[in-house]
Amino acid sequence: EVQLVESGGDLVQPGGSLRLSCAASVFTFSTSGMHWVRQAPGKGLEWLSYINRDSTAIYYADSVKGRFTISRDNARTSVFLQMNSLRDEDTAVYYCTRDGYDWGQGTLVTVSS
Amino acid sequence: EIVLTQSPGTLSLSPGERATLSCRASQSVSTTYLAWYQQKPGQAPRLLIYGASSRATGIPDRFSGSGSGTDFTLTISRLEPEDFAVYYCQHYVSSPFTFGPGTKVDIK
Repeated sequence: EVQLVESGGDLVQPGGSLRLSCAASVFTFSTSGMHWVRQAPGKGLEWLSYINRDSTAIYYADSVKGRFTISRDNARTSVFLQMNSLRDEDTAVYYCTRDGYDWGQGTLVTVSS
Repeated sequence: EIVLTQSPGTLSLSPGERATLSCRASQSVSTTYLAWYQQKPGQAPRLLIYGASSRATGIPDRFSGSGSGTDFTLTISRLEPEDFAVYYCQHYVSSPFTFGPGTKVDIK
């Protein structure tokens, strides 16, 4: 089982930026696709972004396209989510997941003035 | 974009009863690319079923998935106290890999 640990969540003002990190515990990370998923308070799961094992395939939900950027560093067994132009509606717990099989515990992003 | 609809929104049942949850897709989904998750309050989602009918590691056999095309079902044969939670389906056919809105299974 792969252990995933997210970090980087914080309180940020509208229009601000944050960079989330997700560190994986095993070296086989480099063979797996990774996703970011979020959950706004009291709401359901929202898929945000995907990156394949060698970063040659990257996808985004329309709600974050042009504002969020996913990337990974296989040497550091980590995946990242750069979030720019943050809005109130981006307030959520952000999860990374290895193709749905393994999930981190989530990191809270709060966008508020 | 494939839209997933789940029904019912809430299912009120007693322990020991059978739960049948539905996930309907707006267009055909290969069984390979349909998954079910369980989420309890304050916890991350947990994969239950992948490939529409294959149980993930460690998932009890009271959980089963079935279906094809646009209609998929998650069945919990006999509800245990720990099964009261929210259940989501998700497809992996093509981006965006959307989730359904969820079905809450609560105690009657």
